Amino acid sequence: AQSVAQPEDQVNVAEGNPLTVKCTYSVSGNPYLFWYVQYPNRGLQFLLKYITGDNLVKGSYGFEAEFNKSQTSFHLKKPSALVSDSALYFCAVRGPYNTDKLIFGTGTRLQVFP
Amino acid sequence: DTAVSQTPKYLVTQMGNDKSIKCEQNLGHDTMYWYKQDSKKFLKIMFSYNNKELIINETVPNRFSPKSPDKAHLNLHINSLELGDSAVYFCASSPGGQKGNQPQHFGDGTRLSIL
Repeated sequence: AQSVAQPEDQVNVAEGNPLTVKCTYSVSGNPYLFWYVQYPNRGLQFLLKYITGDNLVKGSYGFEAEFNKSQTSFHLKKPSALVSDSALYFCAVRGPYNTDKLIFGTGTRLQVFP
Repeated sequence: DTAVSQTPKYLVTQMGNDKSIKCEQNLGHDTMYWYKQDSKKFLKIMFSYNNKELIINETVPNRFSPKSPDKAHLNLHINSLELGDSAVYFCASSPGGQKGNQPQHFGDGTRLSIL
């Protein structure tokens, strides 16, 4: 069964420091992986996706993610965190049987301190 | 322009009532979804429609009935509301095509509170 795990409920980082939000996946077949961000009282916003190709994927707002097949990971990264990056981040994987269904992780709250 | 819009934004009602949530997208997408986000922020798909046809129907009580009058609209009707239905309900859309490689666009959610 397709699933993703986000092992950290919360990540704290100082502004200007690099940040990493972790995600590991378990799939049958090729993984289609996504990162979304949710700001308070808002819907999810798409950040980036990995479908195929280059293992380093660049996305919106300076975020990037590294697909690692051997470690079954898709960690979200940013070289220099901003206070405005503070939000809830979700990793997601495409559902089985090539559907458009997304299966989400439990979310990681990122707190960036000034 | 709002890409995916939901109404109402907030819904407070009594247990046992029937209520509807409406969703519209102006992105020209073929596929629309309903998700439920619980109090712990866990997000799970409920339904998906592709061009007015139901394609995903997760294990959801029969009290929940989606309706898609056209591919730009997907409404959610809930009968006999229960306390456990309190959550944030998100509508989303994507180009579809059953390939799973396109991002989904989300509305801002409807916060349903059952008294």
